[in-house]
Amino acid sequence: GAGVSQSPSNKVTEKGKDVELRCDPISGHTALYWYRQSLGQGLEFLIYFQGNSAPDKSGLPSDRFSAERTGGSVSTLTIQRTQQEDSAVYLCASSRRTGTDTQYFGPGTRLTVL
Amino acid sequence: GQQVMQIPQYQHVQEGEDFTTYCNSSTTLSNIQWYKQRPGGHPVFLIQLVKSGEVKKQKRLTFQFGEAKKNSSLHITATQTTDVGTYFCASLDSARQLTFGSGTQLTVLP
Repeated sequence: GAGVSQSPSNKVTEKGKDVELRCDPISGHTALYWYRQSLGQGLEFLIYFQGNSAPDKSGLPSDRFSAERTGGSVSTLTIQRTQQEDSAVYLCASSRRTGTDTQYFGPGTRLTVL
Repeated sequence: GQQVMQIPQYQHVQEGEDFTTYCNSSTTLSNIQWYKQRPGGHPVFLIQLVKSGEVKKQKRLTFQFGEAKKNSSLHITATQTTDVGTYFCASLDSARQLTFGSGTQLTVLP
């Protein structure tokens, strides 16, 4: 596709349930990022994939959060045993290479944990 | 897409000295964000400015957004060795692209 796509666009779940968020980056982009944005806040880095290298997981807030990137393309962010503080917009971005290359963001997934 | 120019590219200061980095755009920006990237790390969000003439402070850091919303600055008072890193401005446009400036690499000499 022409841009980064994410699904679902909205997800409402009950506290304690697991959720999976999907990101399809721009074809050919080797770098993929997950961010979280709470209401009125900036982007909070979660995890970063670069090619086949081990991902930088330093931003994951707890061990309930995990992500994988299969075949160097599609990525899935999984949140286990969701908590109300997990409610936020989860944004995926991709870039051609790494670092501060322009990052192209997907539309995000708005997660609401009841 | 929009472009954000950032200067200087490098800055070496003695610990305790002040430091300023500047971002400029030829177009009006809807917002300006500032990030800090430690060596080997990833950009970490510091702050976002959206209002014309806005000034925000975080301890020793002062962020300004110009009246015309075409420029911004980050000023660090009395630098410390922990301030070492590259400081980037960035702007998120309507197409949801976050475009970074080229960054200013700050070295603080003890």
